Amino acid sequence: DAKTTQPNSMESNEEEPVHLPCNHSTISGTDYIHWYRQLPSQGPEYVIHGLTSNVNNRMASLAIAEDRKSSTLILHRATLRDAAVYYCILRKFSGGSNYKLTFGKGTLLTVNP
Amino acid sequence: DTGVSQDPRHKITKRGQNVTFRCDPISEHNRLYWYRQTLGQGPEFLTYFQNEAQLEKSRLLSDRFSAERPKGSFSTLEIQRTEQGDSAMYLCASSLLSAAADGYTFGSGTRLTVV
Repeated sequence: DAKTTQPNSMESNEEEPVHLPCNHSTISGTDYIHWYRQLPSQGPEYVIHGLTSNVNNRMASLAIAEDRKSSTLILHRATLRDAAVYYCILRKFSGGSNYKLTFGKGTLLTVNP
Repeated sequence: DTGVSQDPRHKITKRGQNVTFRCDPISEHNRLYWYRQTLGQGPEFLTYFQNEAQLEKSRLLSDRFSAERPKGSFSTLEIQRTEQGDSAMYLCASSLLSAAADGYTFGSGTRLTVV
């Protein structure tokens, strides 16, 4: 399975934008890029996903490099409630194991007031 | 539907005892997953159901672990003869049977402590 690389931790200030990077240099053409986050004492929560084009939703934006070897999750205005571990995951859109999410260690985001 | 429910939220058990956890997925979700998470690590895949059929089991799921999903609705995860190494958060998730674009919905987990 293609792997992702994320910084262990990042820090941000409240109400400032946050850019969380993810490298996935071995991504294949059948991989979606998914982002999940996990708040303390909760299960992971779906944030956003994309394939080739940039994506926006109410939670965040996903910017995908043209060669798809990296992506960036953008939180436009961080709040204290955004403090969480953020996971970047590749998930196949076809084939026998397309149901599976494989988590790494993610990036621990700290938001300072 | 209020999401994925897991019961209990916390379980403390003595080594050697059996424990069973329950997961109620979102009602229209065909797929159900169990994950395990230890401190400082991301969740690790344990097993997957499509309706009532268990289609994959991780090698992490030793013979002491068994999961069921009768009638394709709720699921149970049983651990027999618990060991201290089984202490972890056990997470359940569900999703629709469709392309990989759909997100998972996770429950809040059951935290198991084996003493």
